[in-house]
Amino acid sequence: DGGITQSPKYLFRKEGQNVTLSCEQNLNHDAMYWYRQDPGQGLRLIYYSQIVNDFQKGDIAEGYSVSREKKESFPLTVTSAQKNPTAFYLCASSSRALHGNQPQHFGDGTRLSIL
Amino acid sequence: RKEVEQDPGPFNVPEGATVAFNCTYSNSASQSFFWYRQDCRKEPKLLMSVYSSGNEDGRFTAQLNRASQYISLLIRDSKLSDSATYLCVVGAGTASKLTFGTGTRLQVTL
Repeated sequence: DGGITQSPKYLFRKEGQNVTLSCEQNLNHDAMYWYRQDPGQGLRLIYYSQIVNDFQKGDIAEGYSVSREKKESFPLTVTSAQKNPTAFYLCASSSRALHGNQPQHFGDGTRLSIL
Repeated sequence: RKEVEQDPGPFNVPEGATVAFNCTYSNSASQSFFWYRQDCRKEPKLLMSVYSSGNEDGRFTAQLNRASQYISLLIRDSKLSDSATYLCVVGAGTASKLTFGTGTRLQVTL
């Protein structure tokens, strides 16, 4: 089945540690996105990539890094510089649109907590 | 002013009721509109796209009013399983990102 796979489902980070969240899609989508959702809040865009080997900062990129070496994969690293990393992290992908925007499809998320 | 605004609710309605949510957006250049559904502690899932002429999918009807810059979602004959948070999502075109509202929570009761 086609879809977006995020792993792990739950992740715990120690102080000063970098952690990497995995996102893989087999939908052949060009664009991929990372969002963060805090309790009772909306989704905030961290980074996005519209094509392999290219990505842009979203609204809250500080303390995060990404890479897009393959079309299928868009891993997110939460660095030690991110002082409040506890959140629900969602990866999404979409196909390229000729006009307007295509809807985004989400993985089932990773919950990150600080130990 | 937020780019996309929604009444957070909760909207508490009995089973079988009709309920409507509105969402306003601030960017007049917005081109794409969607409603997503998010269950507690789960990922958002696309409910429906919203077209200029309005569109219907079973018990769900979406409308777009460009002049007043709002979209609406109408749910008829509410089911217990409709209980969720409904996210309004707006996009300003091909090269732009989507902007998500914070959601309207619906609770359908017996």
